[in-house]
Amino acid sequence: GAGVSQSPSNKVTEKGKDVELRCDPISGHTALYWYRQSLGQGLEFLIYFQGNSAPDKSGLPSDRFSAERTGGSVSTLTIQRTQQEDSAVYLCASSPRTISSYNSPLHFGNGTRLTVT
Amino acid sequence: EDQVTQSPEALRLQEGESSSLNCSYTVSGLRGLFWYRQDPGKGPEFLFTLYSAGEEKEKERLKATLTKKESFLHITAPKPEDSATYLCAVHHIRPLMAFYGGATNKLIFGTGTLLAVQP
Repeated sequence: GAGVSQSPSNKVTEKGKDVELRCDPISGHTALYWYRQSLGQGLEFLIYFQGNSAPDKSGLPSDRFSAERTGGSVSTLTIQRTQQEDSAVYLCASSPRTISSYNSPLHFGNGTRLTVT
Repeated sequence: EDQVTQSPEALRLQEGESSSLNCSYTVSGLRGLFWYRQDPGKGPEFLFTLYSAGEEKEKERLKATLTKKESFLHITAPKPEDSATYLCAVHHIRPLMAFYGGATNKLIFGTGTLLAVQP
């Protein structure tokens, strides 16, 4: 079946512009995560959605970052007034249940490579 | 502070030369340890989950083991197609929530080991 789909695969933007990154999770997966991967860094947690619960936004680095998930499916990560330090690969992952459940690993998309010039 | 450390950062092997990758963790209350493989330009691909010390899991030339402080990913007789970055991640219980059995909602990742297997 289809995996996690992210678009665009690459995005180049000028400093100060806003960008939107899209994630289509695996159908039926209730949990959705956004991570950021910078060169030489580990994956950095950004935000987590689980069903209709309030999202865990504890990883968002600043108020320029926001995310929403509509209808429990597609998610959009928005970065306002982009800065050069926002350049990274933004990865989306989904899971059929919470990771507290056994045998419920994260399934990742191939990411969006964001370059801020 | 919760931390996941992987070593070595990079490893170059000859085809058929077995070795091990290490993932050490300092978290309060491990609920699960995950291994992922990541190829260039791709997202991480799930390999294994380990839940308790002494547990082992195998898949083709890979075997993952877990102790109370670290996990090893053993690669037996590797082939060039095993070349990738291997990531380790942990899922743990928040200290304040431990009494209530509350786990966090996220995985903490290490920075990975870049493995290159030469023919």
